[in-house]
Amino acid sequence: SAVISQKPSRDICQRGTSLTIQCQVDSQVTMMFWYRQQPGQSLTLIATANQGSEATYESGFVIDKFPISRPNLTFSTLTVSNMSPEDSSIYLCSVEQGDSGNTIYFGEGSWLTVV
Amino acid sequence: DAKTTQPNSMESNEEEPVHLPCNHSTISGTDYIHWYRQLPSQGPEYVIHGLTSNVNNRMASLAIAEDRKSSTLILHRATLRDAAVYYCILRGLGGAQKLVFGQGTRLTINP
Repeated sequence: SAVISQKPSRDICQRGTSLTIQCQVDSQVTMMFWYRQQPGQSLTLIATANQGSEATYESGFVIDKFPISRPNLTFSTLTVSNMSPEDSSIYLCSVEQGDSGNTIYFGEGSWLTVV
Repeated sequence: DAKTTQPNSMESNEEEPVHLPCNHSTISGTDYIHWYRQLPSQGPEYVIHGLTSNVNNRMASLAIAEDRKSSTLILHRATLRDAAVYYCILRGLGGAQKLVFGQGTRLTINP
């Protein structure tokens, strides 16, 4: 199974600032997904990121607010821009491994609190 | 995306079997049934998935109805560590098939 590392694991951020979350995978993967989990809620998909192409955003999420980079097959970043308290959430990176068929693996998440 | 329906919460006792139901009446022929769980303060964890036949692994068993409109995740002998939110998700095969999470079932295990 893929091992996924996210940084930072936790952070407290000031309103109006931006924070970039890093996601590192221990093997090459084609598909990477970014999710948000607001307090007490289920997971919501933000975008799908393929290496070498623009990320595909879900309804309600835009590139200006959540720019994503995918420079290679083992790494991706998600930036949360111009943060407000409503952005306080857990942000999770996940990957699909080609040799695992349908299985998707998740990182431990980045817990952001905006004050 | 085809939807699933799960009870909001369930409770069981330690060392007893747990049967977690999931209804998916609009499932398509190519949708796999996936189960993930999320332990407190952790990211979701893959549990099991299947298409038509019942499946077993070291964590759990998945029983799929003959018409595929429902399924049941079976934890054979619950431990306190199995307390989590369990998500039943339908996912197609191929391409950028995303996992769409519902609200899941919060499972409480009593000592």
